[in-house]
Order: sequence, then structure tokens, then C-alpha cells
Amino acid sequence: EVQLVESGGGLVQPGGSLRLSCAASGFTVSSNYMSWVRQAPGKGLEWVSVIYSGGSTYYADSVKGRFTISRDNSKNTLYLQMNSLRAEDTAVYYCARGVSVDPWGQGTLVTVSS
Amino acid sequence: EIVLTQSPDFQSVTPKEKVTITCRASQSIGSSLHWYQQKPDQSPKLLIKYASQSISGVPSRFSGSGSGTDFTLTINSLEAEDAATYYCHQSSSLPWTFGQGTKVEIK
Repeated sequence: EVQLVESGGGLVQPGGSLRLSCAASGFTVSSNYMSWVRQAPGKGLEWVSVIYSGGSTYYADSVKGRFTISRDNSKNTLYLQMNSLRAEDTAVYYCARGVSVDPWGQGTLVTVSS
Repeated sequence: EIVLTQSPDFQSVTPKEKVTITCRASQSIGSSLHWYQQKPDQSPKLLIKYASQSISGVPSRFSGSGSGTDFTLTINSLEAEDAATYYCHQSSSLPWTFGQGTKVEIK
């Protein structure tokens, strides 16, 4: 069964850092486009970042220079390193596979607040 | 950045009624348009990929059409379990973008 399980969310102060993880099973992370998409409370979906199978990475302007997407092929896991966090980064963060995104993980909540 | 505009924002529908949701792109995206369903407190679920391609396990009452800038998601004979918010998403160019969502309520 194809599955994605995120972890690493939590409460962090403005300016702080967090690293999200997404453990994949049933497929190989490095062979797929893998993305992070977030959803602020009560709001719509916002694409954050993607890593291509070849390793190229791209970011939304709102997180460029602060967030870094990466993967560990040996662990079949996707990561999102988030630095210089702001209140507006508060959201549920989903990891997801593919261009036509399927499946999505269950999401992990990141709350940036003092 | 390609902007996707969905209409309507909200729709209240009786069971067995037909639902049509449109998604308009600010520039041509070919067929690189996907549709998702998100129920409360759940992750999004892929319904239709590349404008009109069906997804295994998704009920046949869901269908998609369109190309270029205008796309449609149709739900034939709405069922109570279809109460959700529906999003379109374009993968034609970075940054990938989503529509603002259409909430479908069951009367």
C-alpha cells in the first residue's frame, strides 16, 4: 500500500526552526516528484516546494530562502527544513507524491506563535 | 504565476442533483489540470488528473473536461458523501497553484 506519514510539526516561536519528515512506503521517493503543500487554518491549499526525481528543487516565493526540501534515499523519506518561521507559516503541512498529487499524507500542524 | 479561479465558491445541492464546478486559468495550461476533494478534517484526495483522466477507485459520477483555460468538474447524481470542498490544481508551470476551492453542501 502506498502511504505517506508526516511528523515533526509543533509549536515554535517566530524566528525559530523546525524540520518536517515524511516517511514513504509502497513506492520509492527518489523516483517520484515529491511536494510539500500547506493549508492555513480554514483556508485553501498552497503549494510550498517540490523536489524532482532528478534532484532539482523549487520553492514558492513566500518560503524561498527560508525553507529547504530534501530527501534521504536510504530512508525513503522526504524532509522540509523550515527556518526563520513567521506567524503566516502556521498551517497543516502535507507531503504528497507526483504531479497529479496522489496520495497525500495525513498532514502535520505547524504553529508559529509566541 | 498562473491564477486559477473557481466558480462558484459555494453550492448547496440536493441529493441526486448534478453539480458543475468550473476552474478558469489566467493563461493556457493545456491539460495540466487536476481536481481534488477534501472532506472536513481529512487530507485532499485526487479525483481527476490531466483534466479528464479518471482515477481508479473514484466513483464514476465524477468526471472532468476542458483544456487550455477553461475546465469543468461534474458530479452526476450527487450523493450525501460528496459533501466536501473541491480544488483544482495546475502543474503546467511553477509555481504550482490551486484554485480557492468550492464548498459543496448537501441540502
